[in-house]
Amino acid sequence: DAGITQSPRYKITETGRQVTLMCHQTWSHSYMFWYRQDLGHGLRLIYYSAAADITDKGEVPDGYVVSRSKTENFPLTLESATRSQTSVYFCASRTGGYTEAFFGQGTRLTVV
Amino acid sequence: AQKVTQAQTEISVVEKEDVTLDCVYETRDTTYYLFWYKQPPSGELVFLIRRNSFDEQNEISGRYSWNFQKSTSSFNFTITASQVVDSAVYFCALSEAVSNFGNEKLTFGTGTRLTIIP
Repeated sequence: DAGITQSPRYKITETGRQVTLMCHQTWSHSYMFWYRQDLGHGLRLIYYSAAADITDKGEVPDGYVVSRSKTENFPLTLESATRSQTSVYFCASRTGGYTEAFFGQGTRLTVV
Repeated sequence: AQKVTQAQTEISVVEKEDVTLDCVYETRDTTYYLFWYKQPPSGELVFLIRRNSFDEQNEISGRYSWNFQKSTSSFNFTITASQVVDSAVYFCALSEAVSNFGNEKLTFGTGTRLTIIP
């Protein structure tokens, strides 16, 4: 299916575990983003990528790692999950700075 | 650094009333884009409008209208004759450095939760 998809949709993990959230888009968009949404904070940018093998930190990158070996995929890894990383995570993609971003459905992550 | 401020955390209005959601931005760029997104209770993020920094014309789309004023760095969103289906969280966003490939971040405000009371 065309579009942008995130997996899993829901995840419960334990403190200290490594967890990877997947994001896949079918449009060959250059830019991809990861945001976290928390009450009172809106959408905060974690990492973004301008193209394959080009990534940069956003507002709240600590504790997260990204990679982008292929244009269509942009996985987000929590190296050692903490309770403060409990959140809803959104992946997005767009062509460039002048275009709107398209969002995935979100991943609700709970760290216990 | 770019910044977007949505000072209204929550707004409640009675159905059929008009409501304006405020958005104030900060940027050092002369070329930038502003966006509004809607997040209904189902959780997805829906794109509403895009406006570039060189176009200050107001835009109207049905019951929705947007007022962009560079002099006050504001990009406000008005819903006329509100309906229950308008209940959602609304986000304003800013994209700058559009001519500097690799730095085109998309920064969101904290959102305004709008509740339309039937």
